[in-house]
Amino acid sequence: AQTVTQSQPEMSVQEAETVTLSCTYDTSESDYYLFWYKQPPSRQMILVIRQEAYKQQNATENRFSVNFQKAAKSFSLKISDSQLGDAAMYFCAYRSAMVRNKLVFGAGTILRVKS
Amino acid sequence: NAGVTQTPKFRILKIGQSMTLQCTQDMNHNYMYWYRQDPGMGLKLIYYSVGAGITDKGEVPNGYNVSRSTTEDFPLRLELAAPSQTSVYFCASSYGGGLIYGYTFGSGTRLTVV
Repeated sequence: AQTVTQSQPEMSVQEAETVTLSCTYDTSESDYYLFWYKQPPSRQMILVIRQEAYKQQNATENRFSVNFQKAAKSFSLKISDSQLGDAAMYFCAYRSAMVRNKLVFGAGTILRVKS
Repeated sequence: NAGVTQTPKFRILKIGQSMTLQCTQDMNHNYMYWYRQDPGMGLKLIYYSVGAGITDKGEVPNGYNVSRSTTEDFPLRLELAAPSQTSVYFCASSYGGGLIYGYTFGSGTRLTVV
């Protein structure tokens, strides 16, 4: 079974600085998808960014980018120019290309942004 | 466009009571899911549905039931509530398996069983 590990329970960053959240996963599959979700205090889960395993190019969405290392099974999220609104819980998630109905989540990382 | 709407937002149940968590979506998504989120843990899949009339168990289905009579609605039923069911429950939906746009989540229901 696939597992997702987020080793940083909590991180802090100064406003306007850059922070990287770590995520590793375990799978024997070669085709899969990876996601980062943001959960602000409102509890709503918001999709931040997605990465297809077959793509070597790292995904980027405005200030959010990933460092996808397939061989190392690592999928870190970099937030540039951090803003107060970035403060939230961030979840890394894995989805098999074959098993369509299961998104496997990590335990989450709380990100605090200091002004 | 409301997205995924869950009700209630908070609820306290006594042990042995039953309740239904409501979930409705207005995006015409065929897939719907129920997850629970426990402190320090990732979300765990309880049940999912790939379309009206079709439901299946996830990782942690014991103590719960679901139905999907329409595309829009996917209620989660708790029978004989137990303290172990204290959690935050999230409903989500997706078009297909959620590969392109991910899942759309509701804002959650915080349930406490005492």
